[in-house]
Amino acid sequence: DAGVIQSPRHEVTEMGQEVTLRCKPISGHDYLFWYRQTMMRGLELLIYFNNNVPIDDSGMPEDRFSAKMPNASFSTLKIQPSEPRDSAVYFCASSIDGPSGGNEQFFGPGTRLTVL
Amino acid sequence: KQEVTQIPAALSVPEGENLVLNCSFTDSAIYNLQWFRQDPGKGLTSLLLIQSSQREQTSGRLNASLDKSSGRSTLYIAASQPGDSATYLCATFRPGGYQKVTFGIGTKLQVIP
Repeated sequence: DAGVIQSPRHEVTEMGQEVTLRCKPISGHDYLFWYRQTMMRGLELLIYFNNNVPIDDSGMPEDRFSAKMPNASFSTLKIQPSEPRDSAVYFCASSIDGPSGGNEQFFGPGTRLTVL
Repeated sequence: KQEVTQIPAALSVPEGENLVLNCSFTDSAIYNLQWFRQDPGKGLTSLLLIQSSQREQTSGRLNASLDKSSGRSTLYIAASQPGDSATYLCATFRPGGYQKVTFGIGTKLQVIP
């Protein structure tokens, strides 16, 4: 398996623009996680899905953020409108089971977002 | 609210030295704890996962221990190598509510040849 795939790897946009980040989890993994990493706050869980259904979005910072998982092999994280403080590295991860399980999470390479 | 602290924030050691990285957490009601490494500009690579019922896990030169009652975990790296240079993060996984998954800020390790 190619592992968790994320695109784009880098995104530079201007404030107010819509940004869409994409993720393809490892085949057979029922759980998908979106994280954000900044120097100030470290890694934060934004939202996670089980079998394409959002289970916990309590980490999503604002209504400007939304995530979808239309099928088992694809998820998007959208920011509309984007702001400079959204600049961060966004990671997608997948696992066989959820936070209570005994299986590891596998991370994608991340998308480095810069909002000017 | 779970807080995960990693000490030290940075560590520089000569090659071949054995070393210990520390992780402490405030809420002991965890399902499991996972150690990751992160190389500059890269994603996270899982190293070891310890379930709440376990005391330790080993993989090659790595050994991770868990003491839930005291809210501590350690990652022991034996015979360190320059290739071990990376940032090491620990994360706790808890039931219910906000912050199901909480990461520490990490320990940046440099192994000097």
